[in-house]
Amino acid sequence: GESVGLHLPTLSVQEGDNSIINCAYSNSASDYFIWYKQESGKGPQFIIDIRSNMDKRQGQRVTVLLNKTVKHLSLQIAATQPGDSAVYFCAENGASNTGKLIFGQGTTLQVKP
Amino acid sequence: DGGITQSPKYLFRKEGQNVTLSCEQNLNHDAMYWYRQDPGQGLRLIYYSQIVNDFQKGDIAEGYSVSREKKESFPLTVTSAQKNPTAFYLCASSIAGSGTEAFFGQGTRLTVV
Repeated sequence: GESVGLHLPTLSVQEGDNSIINCAYSNSASDYFIWYKQESGKGPQFIIDIRSNMDKRQGQRVTVLLNKTVKHLSLQIAATQPGDSAVYFCAENGASNTGKLIFGQGTTLQVKP
Repeated sequence: DGGITQSPKYLFRKEGQNVTLSCEQNLNHDAMYWYRQDPGQGLRLIYYSQIVNDFQKGDIAEGYSVSREKKESFPLTVTSAQKNPTAFYLCASSIAGSGTEAFFGQGTRLTVV
């Protein structure tokens, strides 16, 4: 079945360093991808999205890269801060036109002071 | 402020009881979704609705029911048929159709006692 997976369950980085969170997706027909940040006990918050007609998109301190050839998605966070500590999820639309999303298992980002 | 509101934040249920989780949005979104999240896992889709008076089962609909009588509201009932209901439940909404971000509520944590 469809699945979205993450390479590492936990990523620990030093404050001020750059973070890279990776994601593999399985449905080559997916044409929309999102990264969410979830803090403990809260709902996911939108970080950045990208469509399949792009391979890179930048936001404030974040960049998403999409490699359709190997079905890989990554989230880069520049100058990681303690407030970035959270679980990060990637999600894909699975080529569905219903708006529903398929989520990966999540990567926990720990920022060390 | 526009947003999506879930209530209650915490809910305790005795075995054999049905409970209903509330989800309201004032974003004028056509589509609404219910996801379940278990510890250390991603989100799994329970039910979704693209338009009033219509809804479809997601990946794990057994033991749950929903209604969509109003555009703003999409309540989820966890029935006694759901064998393992203890989880974190997240409601989301989006503009109907694919390729748009979903906005999430803050979640309801349901515990069976």
